[in-house]
Amino acid sequence: SQKIEQNSEALNIQEGKTATLTCNYTNYSPAYLQWYRQDPGRGPVFLLLIRENEKEKRKERLKVTFDTTLKQSLFHITASQPADSATYLCALGNNAGKSTFGDGTTLTVKP
Amino acid sequence: DAGVIQSPRHEVTEMGQEVTLRCKPISGHDYLFWYRQTMMRGLELLIYFNNNVPIDDSGMPEDRFSAKMPNASFSTLKIQPSEPRDSAVYFCASSLVKGGNTIYFGEGSWLTVV
Repeated sequence: SQKIEQNSEALNIQEGKTATLTCNYTNYSPAYLQWYRQDPGRGPVFLLLIRENEKEKRKERLKVTFDTTLKQSLFHITASQPADSATYLCALGNNAGKSTFGDGTTLTVKP
Repeated sequence: DAGVIQSPRHEVTEMGQEVTLRCKPISGHDYLFWYRQTMMRGLELLIYFNNNVPIDDSGMPEDRFSAKMPNASFSTLKIQPSEPRDSAVYFCASSLVKGGNTIYFGEGSWLTVV
C-alpha cells in the first residue's frame, strides 16, 4: 500500500541554522510533490511545488529537492527564525488531481 | 478573494445526531476536497470533486458519511448518525487545474461528538 513518511515527528534547531525535513514514500509514482505549512488551529498553507522531472526548487529561504529514484524529498529552511516554527506537511499528487499528505514534522526554532 | 469558507467553525454534538458541515470554495476553482485531520491518522482525504462531480470517495470511512456538491460554490459533508470516533477537524479545500495545482484550505470545522 502507499505510504508517506516524514522524518521524526519533531525537530528542534537553533535560530540561524538550516532546518532539513525529509519526506519518503513507497508504492507511489507522484506527478508532483508539494510542501505545506500548518500553524496550530489553522489549515495548511501551500509553500512549494516540485514536479517529477525537476530536481530542485527554491523560494527565498526555502529549498526543495526531489529524487524519484530514492523516492525522497528534502525540504530546507535556511537561516531559520522562531517564526518558522510550525508543522510542515509533504503531499504527493497524481495527474487525477488527488493529493495524499504525510503526517507532518513539527519544527521548533529556538532563539 | 475571501478564501475557502467553512461553517461551522466549531460544533459539539451528541452521539447519534446528524452533523452537516458546509463549504464555499474559492470562486473559479474546479476541484473541491474534504479532508479529516486527527492526531492518530493525520490528514486524510475523504472525497474530492471535479466540476461538482465526485471523482474519488474511497476515503469516506463508511456509509454514515456522505458529501454533495450541488453547484460550483457550495458543498456539504454530512455524518448521520455521528459517533465519538468522528471527532476531528474537517477541512474543505479547493484548487484550480489538476496536475500540480495549489490546494487552498479553509480554516476547518472542529467537530466533537460526545
